[in-house]
Amino acid sequence: NAGVTQTPKFRILKIGQSMTLQCAQDMNHNYMYWYRQDPGMGLKLIYYSVGAGITDKGEVPNGYNVSRSTTEDFPLRLELAAPSQTSVYFCASSYFLGTGLYNSPLHFGNGTRLTVT
Amino acid sequence: GQQLNQSPQSMFIQEGEDVSMNCTSSSIFNTWLWYKQDPGEGPVLLIALYKAGELTSNGRLTAQFGITRKDSFLNISASIPSDVGIYFCAGQRAYGGSQGNLIFGKGTKLSVKP
Repeated sequence: NAGVTQTPKFRILKIGQSMTLQCAQDMNHNYMYWYRQDPGMGLKLIYYSVGAGITDKGEVPNGYNVSRSTTEDFPLRLELAAPSQTSVYFCASSYFLGTGLYNSPLHFGNGTRLTVT
Repeated sequence: GQQLNQSPQSMFIQEGEDVSMNCTSSSIFNTWLWYKQDPGEGPVLLIALYKAGELTSNGRLTAQFGITRKDSFLNISASIPSDVGIYFCAGQRAYGGSQGNLIFGKGTKLSVKP
């Protein structure tokens, strides 16, 4: 049972380059999320998705794009990398039981450490 | 946006000591979660709390969901070296707004006393 799998683990980008961070989950979770973690800070939500074909912005979406064509995959795209996007990126998933019911706790991947120079 | 105040920011532990940390918020949450993050890994869920006043244990860990629904604490009893890491609290509103969105505290870093 792999859980949430993120690739790559590490990446160095030059300013202005683009890349896609991959995330896949095999738990049939309907909700998926992208967070970034900066040193000494908690996790901040970039984008999330409540199901295939549906995405929405989180707290810090600028400079990122996402898509959710399948339940399993939720890639995060950086179009024009900037030094401010140097961070550790975590993908997570959960199962939402329905309005008025509780969302299952998030399961996190092991992160992608991105450096933009 | 909503803020969670987690304290302390860091602490040093000696093996066998009890450890306590807490989170407070100006907003009400319906769920409180406590996660631990080891270096190079993603956060792993330790305890989930779903009801105001709830006290839940997981081995040497005990967490409580505050009666006001604006705070939570985590205690670790008889700490051991593998307890070192960063502990995050997170508050979640189960419905309304961005479903499932967690608000994270900034973390409490546990280190071993030199």
